[in-house]
Amino acid sequence: AQTVTQSQPEMSVQEAETVTLSCTYDTSESDYYLFWYKQPPSRQMILVIRQEAYKQQNATENRFSVNFQKAAKSFSLKISDSQLGDAAMYFCAPSGGTSYGKLTFGQGTILTVHP
Amino acid sequence: DTGVSQNPRHKITKRGQNVTFRCDPISEHNRLYWYRQTLGQGPEFLTYFQNEAQLEKSRLLSDRFSAERPKGSFSTLEIQRTEQGDSAMYLCASSEGDTQYFGPGTRLTVL
Repeated sequence: AQTVTQSQPEMSVQEAETVTLSCTYDTSESDYYLFWYKQPPSRQMILVIRQEAYKQQNATENRFSVNFQKAAKSFSLKISDSQLGDAAMYFCAPSGGTSYGKLTFGQGTILTVHP
Repeated sequence: DTGVSQNPRHKITKRGQNVTFRCDPISEHNRLYWYRQTLGQGPEFLTYFQNEAQLEKSRLLSDRFSAERPKGSFSTLEIQRTEQGDSAMYLCASSEGDTQYFGPGTRLTVL
């Protein structure tokens, strides 16, 4: 079984500034993937970034990057040059290799971006 | 490229009625997942299909729930004898590999 903890229920950032969302997880899988998804209000879940657990190099996708610490089971998301469109609920979700790829979601972090 | 679609987008029903939701995955995606999301929470896994085979069901999926994926294409999720506790957003996702792509969801309200 996998568990996910997102300890920040809410975060806020000024437009153009940088913010980091934290996530810790627990898994018995040896081979797995980690994802961050965003869910804007009343809109659908969108993939932000993906990390393969066997890769030591942190994933980067434009203004989004992760800090993946496998031993500590930590997977934080950094958003640089924040934009108003980044406002959303952000979910961290590991995907287990032996559990058919099903995602286990955290409780989410609501990100507010101030102009 | 057409994304995952779900119908209906909203459903209001009375307690005790049956409801059915449909999910059309991205074409050629062989994996299809259903999740349930209540307000302010993260989605919870319900069930998973590889082509037409239902390979895993969550304990959340009581015997009032049934899902099918005939011919490995679209999927349906049926809830019989709905209860107020079934009110939630039902999300469908599909994948070809390890990355899942989500549909817009069906919001169910049970009165």
